[in-house]
Amino acid sequence: EGQLLESGGALVQPGGSLRLSCAASGFTFGSYAMSWVRQAPGKGLEWVATVSPTGRASYADSVKGRFTISRDNSKNSMSVHMNSLRAEDTAVYYCAKVLEQWLVQGAFDIWGQGTMVTVAS
Amino acid sequence: QLVLTQSPSASASLGASVKLTCTLSSGHTRYAIAWHQKQPEKGPRFLMKVNSDGSHNKGDGVPDRFSGSSSGAERYLTISSLQSEDEADYYCQTWSTDVSWIFGGGTKLTVL
Repeated sequence: EGQLLESGGALVQPGGSLRLSCAASGFTFGSYAMSWVRQAPGKGLEWVATVSPTGRASYADSVKGRFTISRDNSKNSMSVHMNSLRAEDTAVYYCAKVLEQWLVQGAFDIWGQGTMVTVAS
Repeated sequence: QLVLTQSPSASASLGASVKLTCTLSSGHTRYAIAWHQKQPEKGPRFLMKVNSDGSHNKGDGVPDRFSGSSSGAERYLTISSLQSEDEADYYCQTWSTDVSWIFGGGTKLTVL
């Protein structure tokens, strides 16, 4: 059974940067698109970014130009580098796997437990 | 614009059944969706993918008490024989051809 484990969450000042990582196990990582999804306190789930198996990235408008998603298939890992952080980026960040091999669209079928990012001075 | 609409809350008694609804916006009624369960302090859990014809594919280990169905623009999650651990937030999700994902606002399910 596949598993995802996020790390890197922290308290960061507005305007600062942070890198989150996601370690994958239990499935053929390089065959699946991977995503970041966040949940701000008291709010619902919000898609952030997705990277295809070959490294092509897609972003939500709210983070475009500030966040960069990437992956290392040799290490079964994915990351997101977050720049110019704002208070509204405060959230628990989850990594998630897309259900079907090689497709960049589809349901998220495996989720991590999340890592907290707090943007505050 | 692709939008998913969910009722903010639902409630049902222990042992009873409940049917949660996710409504697709006009022009998107043939989209498949996924249902996820979100409990406090835990990561979301994939429950199932529900297609426009009502067929569904459940995630690993999801109990038979959980089932999905469709009618027009609506996608349903039915939970039977409700248990206390089913109390959670339930989100529907879909995806668009421009490589983006949409979540509904979530339904908070209370088991009485």
